[in-house]
Amino acid sequence: DTEVTQTPKHLVMGMTNKKSLKCEQHMGHRAMYWYKQKAKKPPELMFVYSYEKLSINESVPSRFSPECPNSSLLNLHLHALQPEDSALYLCASSQADGNSPLHFGNGTRLTVT
Amino acid sequence: GEDVEQSLFLSVREGDSSVINCTYTDSSSTYLYWYKQEPGAGLQLLTYIFSNMDMKQDQRLTVLLNKKDKHLSLRIADTQTGDSAIYFCAEEWDGGATNKLIFGTGTLLAVQP
Repeated sequence: DTEVTQTPKHLVMGMTNKKSLKCEQHMGHRAMYWYKQKAKKPPELMFVYSYEKLSINESVPSRFSPECPNSSLLNLHLHALQPEDSALYLCASSQADGNSPLHFGNGTRLTVT
Repeated sequence: GEDVEQSLFLSVREGDSSVINCTYTDSSSTYLYWYKQEPGAGLQLLTYIFSNMDMKQDQRLTVLLNKKDKHLSLRIADTQTGDSAIYFCAEEWDGGATNKLIFGTGTLLAVQP
């Protein structure tokens, strides 16, 4: 069981659609992360939020737009995606002390058609 | 560079020990981590080691760290079929108040009954 909950588990969207991925944690963590994982590859960092403020953006295209409405929630808004954006999107959270392990959700499997 | 290297595949028999190796790059990492990923799932934190330690044991898991050679290993004793998964090591890069993890290439562990 994971303490980081991601919805939906699976998402299929067309290139003109707008959709959102959601992530929730109730561990009191003040750092939250989005990672992207392609098949048979390691996860790659996309965004990091610390105390609800965006602290790291790893040069991610603007068609991905993160949002952290409060300390428990993290969203990833998707618009005009490309088929190559199909991947597993993983959310994680940690204490905001720079040394704590990340706790991951089970991910959203995204397919862009 | 940010390359964290692992061997791609390891096959063992049930009941044997498994040793998964990792070579990392950032000697300033405070912690090094091992994560497990089962098919279709997110990443599960297995264990982590503080950089001033040489060894950490946690039930069937033993982590060895050779800081001079930047080499990390994970030993799983009495390997079971349920241990079949992809194992990622991860090092941290200084992200200030957040923990920016760089993952290794992943090792697929196949346990034969």
